[in-house]
Amino acid sequence: EPEVTQTPSHQVTQMGQEVILRCVPISNHLYFYWYRQILGQKVEFLVSFYNNEISEKSEIFDDQFSVERPDGSNFTLKIRSTKLEDSAMYFCASSEYKNTEAFFGQGTRLTVV
Amino acid sequence: QQQVKQSPQSLIVQKGGIPIINCAYENTAFDYFPWYQQFPGKGPALLIAIRPDVSEKKEGRFTISFNKSAKQFSLHIMDSQPGDSATYFCAASNQAGTALIFGKGTTLSVSS
Repeated sequence: EPEVTQTPSHQVTQMGQEVILRCVPISNHLYFYWYRQILGQKVEFLVSFYNNEISEKSEIFDDQFSVERPDGSNFTLKIRSTKLEDSAMYFCASSEYKNTEAFFGQGTRLTVV
Repeated sequence: QQQVKQSPQSLIVQKGGIPIINCAYENTAFDYFPWYQQFPGKGPALLIAIRPDVSEKKEGRFTISFNKSAKQFSLHIMDSQPGDSATYFCAASNQAGTALIFGKGTTLSVSS
């Protein structure tokens, strides 16, 4: 069964450093997403990406964040100048169309120290 | 307006019981309502979803009931098993957007 894969599973970084989280969406899907889940809290939408551009973003997704589809399979989230409060699970998701079934990866646990 | 309110926060049932998790929304533009199951350290897994044109949808032991006029929807788990112990999230989205808006989650514990 096709699945969304994310790497790394765990990333530890020092405050102020840049991190790149990687995702391989399901191959025939057209919409890609990043969500964040702070420990014990709800899943929060960050950004959606379609046709090589941002389709929608939340107020969390400020200038510190950027997304990119560098090739035909990968989808990345870059966080510049990380802060302690960026520590969370980051989930990539994809869907064939918008407003339909979205499938999530296993997540990257980001720890900022 | 963009919130989805989920209750209860936690739920304990005995094996074979029927836990019910409720969600309510205000934005009438929402037209897609999925439920996700999440185990510790894992990503949310899509369980079942419904659109407002039907009042109920069943997949295996999982049933969604949808009340459009009340702007509420709920998940019922029939014959619950210890393996169903997880956190359940309701969510909603609308055709004009792409974001899933999640509820705060319900931690379900099914005792044997």
